[in-house]
Amino acid sequence: QAQLVESGGGLVKPGGSLRLSCAASGFTFSDYFMSWVRQAPGKGLEWVSYIDGRGSTINYADSVKGRFTISRDNAKNLLFLQMNSLRAEDTAVYYCTRANYVLDVWGQGTTVAVSS
Amino acid sequence: EILLTQSPGTLSLSPGERATLSCRASQSVSSTHFGWYQQKSGQAPRLLVSGASSRATGIPDRFSGSGSGTDFTLTISRLEPEDFAVYYCQQSVTSPWTFGQGTKVEI
Repeated sequence: QAQLVESGGGLVKPGGSLRLSCAASGFTFSDYFMSWVRQAPGKGLEWVSYIDGRGSTINYADSVKGRFTISRDNAKNLLFLQMNSLRAEDTAVYYCTRANYVLDVWGQGTTVAVSS
Repeated sequence: EILLTQSPGTLSLSPGERATLSCRASQSVSSTHFGWYQQKSGQAPRLLVSGASSRATGIPDRFSGSGSGTDFTLTISRLEPEDFAVYYCQQSVTSPWTFGQGTKVEI
């Protein structure tokens, strides 16, 4: 069955960078939009970014635009989120999701903490 | 940006009771691009209902969705102990994709 596994989270200082990865299995990865969603501690869900199957259509939340970059490697079934200029407010659990009109498959999440 | 407003913020009920959760959009949303999600404490969210009324794979039939346009409802016909969680609505019609703020269903 479809499965998503995130990695790459950790503790980083403000202004630092981090690259999240998401390994997909159990479905034809290139057929689907993919998305990142985050959840700050004790808060609700916030959509971060999406990318289409070919990597040609991309969109970002205003809160991360210009700092985060989403990309994918369809040959390796991998989704990425490059996060630069990190701020304290980027502290959250980051979920990789498959976007099939709705977000129908979710990973278990990876935690990013931005603190000095 | 399409704002999604969920009500109530918290629903206090007992097992066996019926739960009715509401999600109102600031502008019309295609049902195809609308979903409900459940998140239990310490777990990732999971899709419950897509297309406003289609249960996702493995979701019990006590969960049902309805609505169209700007008003959507998630109904849990008879609450089981495992249903106490936070529920979110979400749209992916236009960017930015947005979530409601969540409804907590508690005992």
